[in-house]
Amino acid sequence: KQEVTQIPAALSVPEGENLVLNCSFTDSAIYNLQWFRQDPGKGLTSLLLIQSSQREQTSGRLNASLDKSSGRSTLYIAASQPGDSATYLCAVDPTGGGNKLTFGTGTQLKVEL
Amino acid sequence: AAGVIQSPRHLIKEKRETATLKCYPIPRHDTVYWYQQGPGQDPQFLISFYEKMQSDKGSIPDRFSAQQFSDYHSELNMSSLELGDSALYFCASSLRTGGPGNEQFFGPGTRLTVL
Repeated sequence: KQEVTQIPAALSVPEGENLVLNCSFTDSAIYNLQWFRQDPGKGLTSLLLIQSSQREQTSGRLNASLDKSSGRSTLYIAASQPGDSATYLCAVDPTGGGNKLTFGTGTQLKVEL
Repeated sequence: AAGVIQSPRHLIKEKRETATLKCYPIPRHDTVYWYQQGPGQDPQFLISFYEKMQSDKGSIPDRFSAQQFSDYHSELNMSSLELGDSALYFCASSLRTGGPGNEQFFGPGTRLTVL
């Protein structure tokens, strides 16, 4: 059974810092990995998707990397802003074609002024 | 751009009542997923549909059923509601056939409270 873990569970940083969120998964047979952002009581916003054949994806200040063989992904946020405060979730798709996402435990990020 | 639409956004029910949640996927998306997120927990997969046929099934109670209609919208029917069913229910959609990597896009969720 796929298990997805995120470290740290919570993180508080001052504005402007660069930071790294970690995601690890136990079964490397994945089709893709997605990073999401969730604000309190709100829906999930897709940030980045990395297919299993890719090593990284970038969108603005966000960069996500994937090392499938070691079961790890990182989300790098550059020049953090208070508006980045949210819970960040990674999720793995074990196979393509309509199968379920298994979510990580999430990292709750707070960026302070 | 159009997003996934869910209705209602909030729902309050009594124990043992029934509830129906609706989901309208992004136009042209062919796959719909349902997830349940309990308080302080990560989302858990319930069930998915591809081209109106059940595609995969997760930890969905027997009291729950779902279907996808000819217009691709989906409904999650929940009967004999229990207190533990109180959660945020998400619908997501993706373009499975020819889509880039099967990226799933989530709706805003329906918050169900069972009293």
